[in-house]
Amino acid sequence: DAGVIQSPRHEVTEMGQEVTLRCKPISGHNSLFWYRQTMMRGLELLIYFNNNVPIDDSGMPEDRFSAKMPNASFSTLKIQPSEPRDSAVYFCASSLWQGNEKLFFGSGTQLSVL
Amino acid sequence: QKEVEQNSGPLSVPEGAIASLNCTYSDRGSQSFFWYRQYSGKSPELIMFIYSNGDKEDGRFTAQLNKASQYVSLLIRDSQPSDSATYLCAVGSSNTGNQFYFGTGTSLTVIP
Repeated sequence: DAGVIQSPRHEVTEMGQEVTLRCKPISGHNSLFWYRQTMMRGLELLIYFNNNVPIDDSGMPEDRFSAKMPNASFSTLKIQPSEPRDSAVYFCASSLWQGNEKLFFGSGTQLSVL
Repeated sequence: QKEVEQNSGPLSVPEGAIASLNCTYSDRGSQSFFWYRQYSGKSPELIMFIYSNGDKEDGRFTAQLNKASQYVSLLIRDSQPSDSATYLCAVGSSNTGNQFYFGTGTSLTVIP
């Protein structure tokens, strides 16, 4: 069974460019989460979806960040324009939302904004 | 966001010893508690979960939960060098949805 699939694994871009991160959750999971991990702040919840609907985006740092989930098998996190302080590892995770369910993480996208 | 606190470490234990990792949380509505292991450069991997007060054992791992004290811990018995990693405590609440909040992690090194 395939796990959570993220792409790309690494992204290097220049300040001001648009960055799009992609995620395919585990089939049958109906909750999807985007996290950002840095040494200073650890894992931060950016946004999560239940049944493709954004539930809480209070962790999205600025209007430069946006996330979509057009269907149950695909989500994107977009940063436009990107800034050096956005450099981090971005993880997507999914779970089966029936309360108290476990998170399964993708392999992450290492983003470097120069 | 809800507060989940862990000692950042690093924690060093000799091979074969018991490693004890601790976590406190601020949201009394929290209902689910998880321990993830993260090797350097890898994604977090679930190793234990606990929902009720008391102890839960799985092989060399024991999770302990005390909701009154808002405290959860992970014991690793007979520690092995392969246990060297960062351990993340995560807390979930279904009261307002399905949110999971993580501590910043404790770095564990098991010395051969």
